[in-house]
Amino acid sequence: GAGVSQSPSNKVTEKGKDVELRCDPISGHTALYWYRQSLGQGLEFLIYFQGNSAPDKSGLPSDRFSAERTGGSVSTLTIQRTQQEDSAVYLCASSAQGGGNTIYFGEGSWLTVV
Amino acid sequence: QKEVEQNSGPLSVPEGAIASLNCTYSDRGSQSFFWYRQYSGKSPELIMFIYSNGDKEDGRFTAQLNKASQYVSLLIRDSQPSDSATYLCAVNYYNQGGKLIFGQGTELSVKP
Repeated sequence: GAGVSQSPSNKVTEKGKDVELRCDPISGHTALYWYRQSLGQGLEFLIYFQGNSAPDKSGLPSDRFSAERTGGSVSTLTIQRTQQEDSAVYLCASSAQGGGNTIYFGEGSWLTVV
Repeated sequence: QKEVEQNSGPLSVPEGAIASLNCTYSDRGSQSFFWYRQYSGKSPELIMFIYSNGDKEDGRFTAQLNKASQYVSLLIRDSQPSDSATYLCAVNYYNQGGKLIFGQGTELSVKP
């Protein structure tokens, strides 16, 4: 596609429910990132996929968070048993190769846990 | 020490002035440095990247890199109210597999 596509754009969920956020990177981009941004805060690194390498999961805040990338393209970020502190915008980005190349962001998925 | 540090601001400058935004980083192996601009409620968008020591100019924007001091800055000349946004510094952490780490961002306000 022309840009990074994320869905849903907005999600309101009840505390304790699971949510899945989807990211479709720019066609041909091998690197894919997930970041989280709470209101008024900076970008918190969550996870990084680069080609066929094992993903860098060092930023995932707890074992309730997981992500996968199927076929080297679409990625899904799953949050289990959501908590109110999970409320944030979840930004996906992709780049041509990773490792220093420019990354391009999607519009984000705004998650509200009530 | 945070991996990428920026003053949170807000930084307020009058229209037409030079705005100077600063960023320090901790990984001496980092090779690539980026400045992103983020308007409220929007995603970050790339302004500039810099790989080599020295200055890189693009229109009203100049990025400056000093690897010895682990310091990167962004200068905005002839600041406009439309430049009011949060500016995010990002550093490619070579020694951590190449992931891109962001600073907390500096809020810039340009007053007419």
